[in-house]
Parts: sequence; structure tokens; C-alpha cells
Amino acid sequence: GESVGLHLPTLSVQEGDNSIINCAYSNSASDYFIWYKQESGKGPQFIIDIRSNMDKRQGQRVTVLLNKTVKHLSLQIAATQPGDSAVYFCAEKLAGGTSYGKLTFGQGTILTVHP
Amino acid sequence: DTEVTQTPKHLVMGMTNKKSLKCEQHMGHRAMYWYKQKAKKPPELMFVYSYEKLSINESVPSRFSPECPNSSLLNLHLHALQPEDSALYLCASSQRTVPSYEQYFGPGTRLTVT
Repeated sequence: GESVGLHLPTLSVQEGDNSIINCAYSNSASDYFIWYKQESGKGPQFIIDIRSNMDKRQGQRVTVLLNKTVKHLSLQIAATQPGDSAVYFCAEKLAGGTSYGKLTFGQGTILTVHP
Repeated sequence: DTEVTQTPKHLVMGMTNKKSLKCEQHMGHRAMYWYKQKAKKPPELMFVYSYEKLSINESVPSRFSPECPNSSLLNLHLHALQPEDSALYLCASSQRTVPSYEQYFGPGTRLTVT
């Protein structure tokens, strides 16, 4: 199940299940969103991105959904595998040239996949 | 080559030391970044270099001094750090042109200030 509180949100799933990781972003002026996976001892690794003019984008085993009305982003992972265990961060970028390159990261969700 | 490399992997320094972190990429990216990441927290942006010029400084204390000698290299010079500066320091790079804003991250330097 998923728990949210003062600690980093966690999601525990069984291998083979589908996982949904949620993210509430802060700024309605953000025009680009990205999901990163960070394994222990490593830097964040790109998973998938989406622009604000889209509401859904699919990759290999992953789908990102964007709901601008409620400023919500989700990452769906199909057939989750133990290798998917990591911390997942969403990040947003504000529209406008002066904010080029400035990604603001969400707090992250720990995904644990049990064999 | 889609790799960002960082050296050293680990660094322990005293509060009076001067040290430097190094970052290198050979992807032809013209934007490079320094982030600080505390345990169980997201990366926090410190600096952005665009075409080798500092374009964003997120009000970082002057004891952190970035340098971009050329389009492939990014340094972070450290002086008179505090114990609370202990963290994972991540370097990233990205294309400077749209449509991609994807940032490629290095593995980080784990810094401990004693």
C-alpha cells in the first residue's frame, strides 16, 4: 500500500503488479514535467517526460499522466520488477526563458518491489 | 557517450580545507548544473551554467564557488565549509536547445565535512 506523511511516501508492491506513483506539483505555470528514478548510491536516471500540452505519454512499461486541472502527475509502471525498486522523483520546469534548466523536484516516493 | 562523470566519489574535508569537485561530460551539452542532495530529500538546484556562463545561482553561500572552464567541464570549489554542508553533490548536463530539457546526472560526490 501507499503511505504519505512526514516521512518519504512509500509504495510496496508485489513483482508483476502494476505500480502507480503520484505527484502533486506546485506551479500552474510549469510547462514541462519529468520523472526520475534514483537507486541507492546513484544519480537520478531519466524515465519519461511530458509537456503541458499533453495529458498522457507512454514509454516502455511506463506511462505518465498529467492532470493540469488539479496539478497532478502520475507515473504508472506495468509489470513491476524488483529492479524497479528505487526512489522516484517528479520534477517540474516553469515556462519562460529565464527559468531555463531550472527543475524543481518533488519530495520523492520510495518504491519497493517484493519478489 | 551518454555519461556524466564526477570525481572524487567520496570526499572528507575539514572546515578549514579547500577542495574541488569535478564534473565532465562529452555529449556536447551546453548547459551544466550543480545540485545538492541531503539524505532522503530531493536534489536542490545550486547553479546553472549555460554556454559556459553562470545563468542561475540559487542564493548559494559564497563558500561554494562554481567554475566552468570549457563546455565539457564543471568544477565546484569548496572553502570553509560547515558540517551541515555534508551531502551528495550531483552534477548534471543537458542540451541547451529545446525541445528536450532532460538532464543527465552523474553519480555524485559524497561529501563529509568534519
